[in-house]
Amino acid sequence: AQSVTQLDSHVSVSEGTPVLLRCNYSSSYSPSLFWYVQHPNKGLQLLLKYTSAATLVKGINGFEAEFKKSETSFHLTKPSAHMSDAAEYFCVVSGGGADGLTFGKGTHLIIQP
Amino acid sequence: GAGVSQSPRYKVAKRGQDVALRCDPISGHVSLFWYQQALGQGPEFLTYFQNEAQLDKSGLPSDRFFAERPEGSVSTLKIQRTQQEDSAVYLCASSLGGIDYGYTFGSGTRLTVV
Repeated sequence: AQSVTQLDSHVSVSEGTPVLLRCNYSSSYSPSLFWYVQHPNKGLQLLLKYTSAATLVKGINGFEAEFKKSETSFHLTKPSAHMSDAAEYFCVVSGGGADGLTFGKGTHLIIQP
Repeated sequence: GAGVSQSPRYKVAKRGQDVALRCDPISGHVSLFWYQQALGQGPEFLTYFQNEAQLDKSGLPSDRFFAERPEGSVSTLKIQRTQQEDSAVYLCASSLGGIDYGYTFGSGTRLTVV
């Protein structure tokens, strides 16, 4: 069994300031972890993925995440927020036999001008 | 095509009506998944195909839900006798293989049952 907990349903930051979106996971397997972004009325877009290689993963648009096994965390960060980053972000875990994905409930990122 | 295509983009159904939602995966992608995303929630797994074989349907919420992929490419998700609780966005994703290949999601079909 696997699960994901996104610790904040909403995060609001000012443009140009750092972003931190928190995610904790639970998995019976060695997990693969992902962050997806969903803009309004758009499809889910993969930001980055961890699949047991380097623990610090760099993704698109300046985002990165660090896998910490001891803390069962996979937090998403970005040094400087841009208005175009406003969207819904999903932390996702995979590790079951069917390679299906288990999504968190999402974090709504708001960027203040 | 370049991406995963889903149709229709929007569907309004009267309660009790049957609906069929279509997914055209990326050509050559072996794996195909269906997810249901209720308003304000994360997507939840419905079912998984590897080529034409439905390997996991554990997420289908009731026997009113049925999915098929007869030739290993296009997939159809059918919902019989729709209920209001079926209102959601239905997402399709495809993958060349397993996790390491990544998944590409379609834009989804927004189903509203009135």
